Amino acid sequence: EIVMTQSPATLSVSPGERATLSCRASQSVSSNLAWFQQKPGQAPRLLIYGASTRATGVPARFSGSGSGTEFTLTISSLQSEDFAVYYCQQYSNWPPLTFGGGTQVEIK
Amino acid sequence: QVQLVESGGGLVKPGGSLRLSCAASGFTFSDYYMTWIRQAPGKGLEWVSYISSSSGSTIWYADSVKDRFTISRDNAKNSLYLQMNSLTAEDTAVYFCARGGNSQYLAYFDYWGQGTLVTVSS
Repeated sequence: EIVMTQSPATLSVSPGERATLSCRASQSVSSNLAWFQQKPGQAPRLLIYGASTRATGVPARFSGSGSGTEFTLTISSLQSEDFAVYYCQQYSNWPPLTFGGGTQVEIK
Repeated sequence: QVQLVESGGGLVKPGGSLRLSCAASGFTFSDYYMTWIRQAPGKGLEWVSYISSSSGSTIWYADSVKDRFTISRDNAKNSLYLQMNSLTAEDTAVYFCARGGNSQYLAYFDYWGQGTLVTVSS
């Protein structure tokens, strides 16, 4: 099973600042990585797939990078609606499909 | 627009059974792989099961639910199901259905339902 590890667990950021979230895979997943955003009481929303391709309707301030075992989600200038929990998910070697434990982005 | 609506959640006693449904609309249901993902209260996301498109002839399960849960689909009804047997407290979670790709290799999920809560408690 591929274990996905996200860091930090919590990220405190001021509105307008840049946020950088990390996701590490226990073995290479190539570029088969997705990022999701989840707000309280809501379903997750796909942000990024293929490690760096934005999903339909996702603002350009969200960008994904990396390949192999190290990945980054960057939010270039945090807006109020971006405060949420973010999950990475690998779909390279499965089953099982696995998610990271999440990073909570909170207002500083 | 793509819509997924889950139903069937509720309170069930340990050892009991429940059947979840997911009604899909706004896309050609039979063309897409579909999945169930759950989230225990205050916890992260856990993949549960995945079913191939078309006939649904290929199915995958997480070890934690194998031999207890059964995923199925009815393309004529644009519906996805999850039959859950031998439920334990560890199965308590919000269960989401989500749309996968049209290929086994596109196993990420672009549309999600709002979720249905399953509570296993005596």
